[in-house]
Amino acid sequence: ETGVTQTPRHLVMGMTNKKSLKCEQHLGHNAMYWYKQSAKKPLELMFVYNFKEQTENNSVPSRFSPECPNSSHLFLHLHTLQPEDSALYLCASSQDRGDYGYTFGSGTRLTVV
Amino acid sequence: AQSVSQHNHHVILSEAASLELGCNYSYGGTVNLFWYVQYPGQHLQLLLKYFSGDPLVKGIKGFEAEFIKSKFSFNLRKPSVQWSDTAEYFCAVKPGNTPLVFGKGTRLSVIA
Repeated sequence: ETGVTQTPRHLVMGMTNKKSLKCEQHLGHNAMYWYKQSAKKPLELMFVYNFKEQTENNSVPSRFSPECPNSSHLFLHLHTLQPEDSALYLCASSQDRGDYGYTFGSGTRLTVV
Repeated sequence: AQSVSQHNHHVILSEAASLELGCNYSYGGTVNLFWYVQYPGQHLQLLLKYFSGDPLVKGIKGFEAEFIKSKFSFNLRKPSVQWSDTAEYFCAVKPGNTPLVFGKGTRLSVIA
């Protein structure tokens, strides 16, 4: 248990489905992140939230829609995904800018069929 | 664009062998440097980090890393690996105020 909890752990969805990934942190951090981890590629930063405000959108397609209702919760809403979106989606949190590193959740393994 | 290069995709070692995983980055300003480990089926865990001071940093489980500023490198080392060190290792760089940038990772397999 890292203090960052992601649900579900696994998700299989069709290309026309709508689903959401959830992340919750119990560390009192004020910044949260979504990363995408694909095989043989670096972790790709998707979104950054600081005090509930989005501070970075790394050219992510609009079929991925983040939501941060408060500093402890982060969602990633998914709709009309493509098979190449299948990956491990990691949530992380940090205090302020994360100069001391990020704490990661266990991830959601997403398969788009 | 900033980048982090990990030279080895997959390293296979016998138990008790010494380990060195390379990491180079392309940012010229102030950076914070990290190594993370991901054991099979588990989350990314912080192994060690460097901010300033002594360029030789010691982390958990007997790992250490050396920051060589002139070479833009932050290589990870362990004198004697164990089977339980089998995992994927990620170097990460935090350039200034921007988010962490990760390398592609190096898969380490330790065989008996």
